[in-house]
Amino acid sequence: GNSVTQMEGPVTLSEEAFLTINCTYTATGYPSLFWYVQYPGEGLQLLLKATKADDKGSNKGFEATYRKETTSFHLEKGSVQVSDSAVYFCVGLTGGGNKLTFGTGTQLKVEL
Amino acid sequence: DGGITQSPKYLFRKEGQNVTLSCEQNLNHDAMYWYRQDPGQGLRLIYYSQIVNDFQKGDIAEGYSVSREKKESFPLTVTSAQKNPTAFYLCASSIGQFSGTEAFFGQGTRLTVV
Repeated sequence: GNSVTQMEGPVTLSEEAFLTINCTYTATGYPSLFWYVQYPGEGLQLLLKATKADDKGSNKGFEATYRKETTSFHLEKGSVQVSDSAVYFCVGLTGGGNKLTFGTGTQLKVEL
Repeated sequence: DGGITQSPKYLFRKEGQNVTLSCEQNLNHDAMYWYRQDPGQGLRLIYYSQIVNDFQKGDIAEGYSVSREKKESFPLTVTSAQKNPTAFYLCASSIGQFSGTEAFFGQGTRLTVV
């Protein structure tokens, strides 16, 4: 079956530090991949997405590149802010069943 | 404004009672989903529906029921058979069966059994 594995948190960084959250997937075929962000007490918001190999998704300074050879979709940001503190989910979507497969989420805490 | 709305935001239930969580979308999406989120865990799929009058069990459907009588509505009932219903419940929708389409999420309902 399909699965998404992301690094465990919590991750604690100082403001302006570099962020990487690793994500790898296992799927039959080539899923579309997404990063969603969840702020405390809220639902999930789409952060960025990539639908095919070598696509790069980017938004609000965050980037992730769909690497078919390593089946990865790592999330990066060059300089994090306190307002980036949230839980980040890596998600895969395969056609046919149209089911989303979630990673377990990585909590990010950014301190001054 | 198009979007997906869950209500209520907070819900309290006595043990042994059924309770229904509302989810409405005006995005004209065919597919709708219910997820459960527990502290420190990812989202687990309860039920999903790809079209009106049809729905499928997800990974943890026991103790839950749904209906899809209208395209825009997908209510979830948490029955007394659900042994541990206290959790954060998220509803989502997407265009349909095509890869690459993102899912839109509601703000969630926090259910607490008292």
